[in-house]
Amino acid sequence: KAGVTQTPRYLIKTRGQQVTLSCSPISGHRSVSWYQQTPGQGLQFLFEYFSETQRNKGNFPGRFSGRQFSNSRSEMNVSTLELGDSALYLCASSLGGANEKLFFGSGTQLSVL
Amino acid sequence: TQLLEQSPQFLSIQEGENLTVYCNSSSVFSSLQWYRQEPGEGPVLLVTVVTGGEVKKLKRLTFQFGDARKDSSLHITAAQPGDTGLYLCARSNDYKLSFGAGTTVTVRA
Repeated sequence: KAGVTQTPRYLIKTRGQQVTLSCSPISGHRSVSWYQQTPGQGLQFLFEYFSETQRNKGNFPGRFSGRQFSNSRSEMNVSTLELGDSALYLCASSLGGANEKLFFGSGTQLSVL
Repeated sequence: TQLLEQSPQFLSIQEGENLTVYCNSSSVFSSLQWYRQEPGEGPVLLVTVVTGGEVKKLKRLTFQFGDARKDSSLHITAAQPGDTGLYLCARSNDYKLSFGAGTTVTVRA
């Protein structure tokens, strides 16, 4: 069974640009969540989707948005990039229950110059 | 704001030594999860502890959940270089995980 796939693996952008990251969950998983990881703040929750509906959202500005498609694949978008958005963005999938095990992808390393 | 406090922040030991990392909070948790993250990869779930006083063993790793369900520890016996990584504790609530800052463990050969 294929794991969680995130593309691209690495990305370099400049301030003010926007970026879209993609996540393909494990087959059969209907929940996808996104996390930001930085050396200073650690792992921070961005948002979680289940069956195309956002069930929970973290404390990030509106520049961070996401969506989920009918096939459970998810994308997150960051507009008007800032230097502080440089981070490893991790996607995780699960079956969708309250305490289901999360399976993480390898992440997208975003560098904002 | 980190609701979960992990200590120490860094740990470097020689192969064959033992180590313990800690995860503490002022809040009571219904359950606690431990993850290990290797460089360039996402975190991988090691164990979930649910019951106060619970002890779980995973080969050379022993996990304890405090009686009051406010603290947990991870003990590694006879550490190996393959144990190197970032160890994270996390609590689950409302479809999201809240992580501690993590303990970076380096096991030297």
